[in-house]
Amino acid sequence: DAKTTQPPSMDCAEGRAANLPCNHSTISGNEYVYWYRQIHSQGPQYIIHGLKNNETNEMASLIITEDRKSSTLILPHATLRDTAVYYCIVSTSGNTPLVFGKGTRLSVIA
Amino acid sequence: GAVVSQHPSRVICKSGTSVKIECRSLDFQATTMFWYRQFPKQSLMLMATSNEGSKATYEQGVEKDKFLINHASLTLSTLTVTSAHPEDSSFYICSPRDSGRKNEQFFGPGTRLTVL
Repeated sequence: DAKTTQPPSMDCAEGRAANLPCNHSTISGNEYVYWYRQIHSQGPQYIIHGLKNNETNEMASLIITEDRKSSTLILPHATLRDTAVYYCIVSTSGNTPLVFGKGTRLSVIA
Repeated sequence: GAVVSQHPSRVICKSGTSVKIECRSLDFQATTMFWYRQFPKQSLMLMATSNEGSKATYEQGVEKDKFLINHASLTLSTLTVTSAHPEDSSFYICSPRDSGRKNEQFFGPGTRLTVL
């Protein structure tokens, strides 16, 4: 079973920041927070991951709370092409396969 | 990121036939391969895990004699759906793990199987 809880769907206006929350209250000390997204009829695409510090790359920012029980993925300027299902996954690095929950369906609206 | 290919991207077959799906890691060696399937409007479900040169281990509820996995090399793994039935229609996704990159897990583009 997935160890994360995400809202089933969210809308975001094009050009605005999309903030996708994730709860992972049972996360263990050695588990990372991963974010992937899946555009319709494609394989999952890696976005970002982190352990306890906030992370930023060319796609997004990941904000992890100090107690690590929740995190937020931020897409700073959402475009129509960011419409996808976003999955938040907690996992030890490389030891076990990624387990996908139901994710959040983000719809970016023009 | 790493490059993973799957072939075919989509296939339609008659009930009772077998279908082979190939997954290749084009720029890295995958010591471990995961196979997932995804039914419409559902999330990805892990089917099986295979290590190069070893027999695959299957998740509960996945028939090992129906879904044959071959992982004979570090860059190629195949999934064969034998005697396919309409309920096997799904989106199949391979996921190789790169032991050279901190065991990072990558994903193929998926294969859409439709069994008539």
